[in-house]
Amino acid sequence: EDQVTQSPEALRLQEGESSSLNCSYTVSGLRGLFWYRQDPGKGPEFLFTLYSAGEEKEKERLKATLTKKESFLHITAPKPEDSATYLCAVEGGSEKLVFGKGTKLTVNP
Amino acid sequence: DAGITQSPRHKVTETGTPVTLRCHQTENHRYMYWYRQDPGHGLRLIHYSYGVKDTDKGEVSDGYSVSRSKTEDFLLTLESATSSQTSVYFCAARTDSYNEQFFGPGTRLTVL
Repeated sequence: EDQVTQSPEALRLQEGESSSLNCSYTVSGLRGLFWYRQDPGKGPEFLFTLYSAGEEKEKERLKATLTKKESFLHITAPKPEDSATYLCAVEGGSEKLVFGKGTKLTVNP
Repeated sequence: DAGITQSPRHKVTETGTPVTLRCHQTENHRYMYWYRQDPGHGLRLIHYSYGVKDTDKGEVSDGYSVSRSKTEDFLLTLESATSSQTSVYFCAARTDSYNEQFFGPGTRLTVL
């Protein structure tokens, strides 16, 4: 059974204080690992897809990396507008996404 | 972005009544999905469709049915709503090239 565990559940940072979110996974035949951002009252917004260990992708202050067991979402010099819940999901051989419970990030000015 | 809309956006209903939620996409994607999101559980798959009239069950399908008579529309029906089905429901469509799923804005359903 595919499983995704995200840590920490919640993270508070000061503006400019860089940190990382973790996504640990077990999956049979990884087809892709996905990161989403979700703002309160809205649907998840797609950020990145990673397909194989060693792959990295960047977008503004966010950088996602992937190993065979986990993925990290690095946030460099965050701003208050980066506050959101970040969701990680994996797709394995079943072609269905399995989501983690998310990390709620708060960036204080 | 798959141009996904959901209706209604909010609904309050009573236990035992039937409810239908609609998802509409404009990009002609083959795969569509219904999820529910609850505190402490994250997003869980209810049903999905891989083409017109082709559907299958997800992780939490009991009490739900779906239909897809046109590529652009995917309906989720609660035949007899229960309080445990109070949740936020999200529809998603998957791009054909990169397997990325794009989500709609959600429907907040309250069953009294």
